[in-house]
Amino acid sequence: EVQLVESGGGLIQPGESLRLSCAASGFTVSGTYMTWIRQAPGKGLEWVSVIYSGGSTYLADSVKGRFAISRDNSKSTLYLQMNSLRAEDTAVYFCAKGGRSNAFDAWGQGTMVIVSS
Amino acid sequence: QSALTQPASVSGSPGQSISVSCTGIGSDVGSYNLVSWYQHHPGKAPKLIIYDEYSKGPSGVSDRFSGSKSGNTASLTISGLQAEDEADYYCCSYAGSSTWVFGGGTKVTVL
Repeated sequence: EVQLVESGGGLIQPGESLRLSCAASGFTVSGTYMTWIRQAPGKGLEWVSVIYSGGSTYLADSVKGRFAISRDNSKSTLYLQMNSLRAEDTAVYFCAKGGRSNAFDAWGQGTMVIVSS
Repeated sequence: QSALTQPASVSGSPGQSISVSCTGIGSDVGSYNLVSWYQHHPGKAPKLIIYDEYSKGPSGVSDRFSGSKSGNTASLTISGLQAEDEADYYCCSYAGSSTWVFGGGTKVTVL
């Protein structure tokens, strides 16, 4: 069974850094593309970043230069390094597994990040 | 990249059919046959229900869910509405250059 469990969220001050983790099981993280998607309070979903099986990474314009996606194949874990955090980065962050036709076929329950002084 | 446009809310009585629209622009919905739909019960993991605009998600997705697309607008139809369908629904389109764009979400209420 495919399972994704996010961790690492919390309350953090503006300008600081945080690293989110997503532990995957039931499949090989290096064998497919993986993404981070976030949902700000009361708002819709926003795609944040993707890492492909070959290692290429891409970021949404809103986080470019501040966030980085990576993975540790040996630990079956996806990461999101978030630097220079802003109040508008406050959101629940979901990791999701890439499936057929650019759809996300499995999601975690998310981890909450609150950026506030 | 601007979010896809969805109605904020749609409601229906049990047994009825409802549709949720998702309008994009030529560079996303209109350019790729890669629209997907997700059901999200707050506090839980979102669930893929439709991909490729009309293909059913992983096993377990009810046949009551169907998708379609015309031009820059994709639609999700839920037939035979049931209480368990009450949730938030999001459309998503591949937008090129390894980026994706989501809709603002639609709250479906079963009256």
